[in-house]
Amino acid sequence: ETGVTQTPRHLVMGMTNKKSLKCEQHLGHNAMYWYKQSAKKPLELMFVYSLEERVENNSVPSRFSPECPNSSHLFLHLHTLQPEDSALYLCASSHTLGTGEGYGYTFGSGTRLTVV
Amino acid sequence: TQLLEQSPQFLSIQEGENLTVYCNSSSVFSSLQWYRQEPGEGPVLLVTVVTGGEVKKLKRLTFQFGDARKDSSLHITAAQTGDTGLYLCAGVNDMRFGAGTRLTVKP
Repeated sequence: ETGVTQTPRHLVMGMTNKKSLKCEQHLGHNAMYWYKQSAKKPLELMFVYSLEERVENNSVPSRFSPECPNSSHLFLHLHTLQPEDSALYLCASSHTLGTGEGYGYTFGSGTRLTVV
Repeated sequence: TQLLEQSPQFLSIQEGENLTVYCNSSSVFSSLQWYRQEPGEGPVLLVTVVTGGEVKKLKRLTFQFGDARKDSSLHITAAQTGDTGLYLCAGVNDMRFGAGTRLTVKP
């Protein structure tokens, strides 16, 4: 399987639930990212990992907890979310941190999260 | 962090029309990328522009990078319904995107 795969595609969770989003890439990329895309806002960078080390955390609330066990897998653990956290969560990877000329981010199809 | 402003925010046109969307910044970029995002999917890279004044063509899409490398434009000729989507620009190595232009091409 090629590209970036995100599971689940859709998730409905209550505010007291704990759930995890999974992202997997088989492209040999060294950097992975979590973005949040809300209806009224641009893509928001949440977390950045390079060679399994977190290099950026964009003031994201602690109810979101990322994990990168190896360079092919990225998780986003969710805990006691709020309704305003409902959004499309996109995972991306790139050959190196940031993107070089001619390369780019490869995105997954996202997880549509609804918090009720 | 370099702020990217995209305009217009929304654009609705008839099939066959031409259009131009813009990506502007007060900062200089080493290079810039354009992506298209279709409903229910993640963004897909269309092009990277590197040199000030550069023009790249991808079938009916023409991308231009400003001489000062602070702005870029995307021109679509004879738009088709398949061009519908959210067009995003991103500064290379910045990891951040503009808010995008949401294009709807009506049959």
